[in-house]
Parts: sequence; structure tokens; C-alpha cells
Amino acid sequence: SAVISQKPSRDICQRGTSLTIQCQVDSQVTMMFWYRQQPGQSLTLIATANQGSEATYESGFVIDKFPISRPNLTFSTLTVSNMSPEDSSIYLCSVFFPGAGLANNEQFFGPGTRLTVL
Amino acid sequence: AQKITQTQPGMFVQEKEAVTLDCTYDTSDQSYGLFWYKQPSSGEMIFLIYQGSYDEQNATEGRYSLNFQKARKSANLVISASQLGDSAMYFCAMREGRDSDKLSFGAGTTVTVRA
Repeated sequence: SAVISQKPSRDICQRGTSLTIQCQVDSQVTMMFWYRQQPGQSLTLIATANQGSEATYESGFVIDKFPISRPNLTFSTLTVSNMSPEDSSIYLCSVFFPGAGLANNEQFFGPGTRLTVL
Repeated sequence: AQKITQTQPGMFVQEKEAVTLDCTYDTSDQSYGLFWYKQPSSGEMIFLIYQGSYDEQNATEGRYSLNFQKARKSANLVISASQLGDSAMYFCAMREGRDSDKLSFGAGTTVTVRA
């Protein structure tokens, strides 16, 4: 298994400001993922963060709004830029550990960052 | 089109009884993986169980078992001997293809365990 930590765990921000969320993993991983969960909704993938290259964004998400850094194999940041109340969500980072057998494929999530934008 | 469908928005179950959470999926890939996660009110996503498309036996992890019916494209989660701590949102998710690490999530089912 993996130990994943996120900072901050929660924050309340003003409209128009930006917040950077950090994700730290206790093992080296090739890909890290950032998900958003809007209130009462399911999880939606924002982007895949690859070490040493640009992040890959899903449809509906752009780099200007959600810039991502991946400086090494255990760390990533997601910035929510120019925030509006619609950005109020839980943001979760996730990593995947392919196992030797199918039964060992596990994907783990960090504890999440609960963001409220006023 | 929805890749993962969870048709039960909410369910009530009596403590110590079993509950089945429905999940159907849609994919044209032969290789895929199915996951179930638990999300308590704290917001963390807790990995429960995994089923690979080529696994011949249903996955089991303690009180959790996955009823995998490949022809029907269903992967229902069974929680046996429910406990009050099982009250949470449960999400079914799928990873398609051998080279993809992205998960597609269903809408979730809220389970409330009654004493």
C-alpha cells in the first residue's frame, strides 16, 4: 500500500485568489492523478501528472486554470487559479501501483483537500 | 455514455445483515479492472476491492465480496454482516485497457446502517 498526504486538508478562500495543493507519496510512482469531487457528486479526473513532462488534462480542464507541477517521483502540486464559488470541491490526488498479478492492482487516494470558495 | 452506472442513490440496511450494491459498466476493452471504494463523511477514499476482467473467481476481501458477472457487465459489491461503521458513500470505478491508469467513477450509493 501507499501513504499519501495532502496539504492543506481544508481551506476557505476568497473569490479571485489561487490555492496550491500539495501531494506527497511515500513511494516513487510514475503517474499521479488529480481528481475533483464537487459537492454531492462523484469523482472527475482533472489531469494526469507525469514526472518530467507536461500534465495531461481531461476534457473540460485547462492548464491555465489548474496548473500542475511534478518535480519528482514522490511529489506533485495542483493549483486552483482565479477561484470562483464553483471551484468549491474536494480535490484528491491518487497513485496507481501495478502489481505482479491482477489481484495486486491497487489505486490509492490521498485524504483530500476540502476547498470552499466564498 | 456513462461508463459506470450505479442505480441506487441510497440504501438502508439493518446492522448485521448483508447488503448488495449494484454496479454495471460499459466497455469494449477485453482487459479492464473494476474497483470499489468507500468514502465516509470525512471525504477520504478507501480502497475496498478489485476485480480484473480476466479473473475467473470473484474477489473477496474480508466482509467485502464482488459478484462479477462478465456477460452481464455487472460487478456488484456485497457487504456481509453490516456494521454501523459501514455507513458511507460507495463508489464503483473502472480502469479500461492495459495501458490506462485512469479511473471512471459511478455516481455512488449512500449506505446507511441502522442499529
